[in-house]
Order: sequence, then C-alpha cells, then structure tokens
Amino acid sequence: GAGVSQSPSNKVTEKGKDVELRCDPISGHTALYWYRQSLGQGLEFLIYFQGNSAPDKSGLPSDRFSAERTGGSVSTLTIQRTQQEDSAVYLCASTGGPSRAYEQYFGPGTRLTVT
Amino acid sequence: GIQVEQSPPDLILQEGANSTLRCNFSDSVNNLQWFHQNPWGQLINLFYIPSGTKQNGRLSATTVATERYSLLYISSSQTTDSGVYFCAVERDQGAQKLVFGQGTRLTINP
Repeated sequence: GAGVSQSPSNKVTEKGKDVELRCDPISGHTALYWYRQSLGQGLEFLIYFQGNSAPDKSGLPSDRFSAERTGGSVSTLTIQRTQQEDSAVYLCASTGGPSRAYEQYFGPGTRLTVT
Repeated sequence: GIQVEQSPPDLILQEGANSTLRCNFSDSVNNLQWFHQNPWGQLINLFYIPSGTKQNGRLSATTVATERYSLLYISSSQTTDSGVYFCAVERDQGAQKLVFGQGTRLTINP
C-alpha cells in the first residue's frame, strides 16, 4: 500500500524567501507529525496534528514556522523568511491506523537548503 | 525532558558478523521504536517495542522497561544492513512526540 509521501524531495531557496513543504499521510491515519533532521540537532519534533484537535506546536523553533492540515489529511509546513540555519531534512510521519495506533511511519523527507 | 542515549555511536563489522545496539532512556516510556535510516535517508520501521521481545528475520529487539533500556540484535549482517539505527521514545499515551537518540552508524563491509 501507499506510504507517506512528501514533496518536493529537494528544495533550494535563497535566504529570506518563503517555502512550503507538503506531506501526504497514509490513508486512514489520524495523526500527523513533522520532524526536522539536521547535523547539529539530530532528529527533533516540530508539530503534531491529531484529528480535528488544535495542533501541538510545542516543537516549532520560531514564529517563522507554521503548519496546517486540511481535511484531516494533507499537511503543509511553511517557513517564512528562511534563514541558513533552517537548512535540514524535514520529515513527516503519520500514525493512528486501526491495528498500530502508536507506530509512526515516515516519509522520505524534503531536503531544504537555504543559500 | 526524557533523554535517550545510544551506543556505540559507530560500529564497523564484516559481513556475517552479529551485533548488538543499545538504547538507554531516562524515564518510563509508552512508546519505543527502532528505525533504520538507509543511505538515501528513508527511516524504516523495524520494531515498535515499549516492552518485551520481538523478532523479525535476522533482527530482534528486547526492551526491559523496568531498567530503561532496549537492545537491537542483528545477526548474520549483510551489507544492506549498513546505515544509521535510531531508537526513539515517548512518555505520554497521547501525543506521540518521539524523542530520538543520536543513532548508531553501522557499516558492514563485504
């Protein structure tokens, strides 16, 4: 079956520009997570969506980062006024299937490079 | 917050060897997962194992929740086992905001 998909796979942007990263979770999964993987910080949680509840934004590093999830499915992570320290791989995960409620499945990631 | 330590940080083995990777965590957990990150960056689920023992082919894992550690065993290593192995945990039963260890980089030489 289809896994988690993310687009674009690579994104190069100039400092100060805005970027949008997309995540399509596994069909039927109710929870969606964004993580970031960078050389200095390892893998870190950013934001969590569960159904129609308000998102848990406790991991977002600054107010330049925001995310939304439309229709309980697709999610978009937006980074405004990008900085060089935003360069990282942004990973999306989903969970909440009927038999494996806590097991997170990850997409291939979007590699963001800010020049 | 909860701390996750993995050891060793790097491991280089010959094909056919066995290995044990360790994950220590600082508090009780409701979720523990092992992942393999392949050379293309994809995180692949290996085990969901907050407690007990599981086996899947040449891989097995054991979590001793009361002593706050988990072990991943790889037997008869193959070059395709190379990559970074991550342990990730979560304390809460609600939001599963995984906290990752720094990983063990495994290199299997032919």
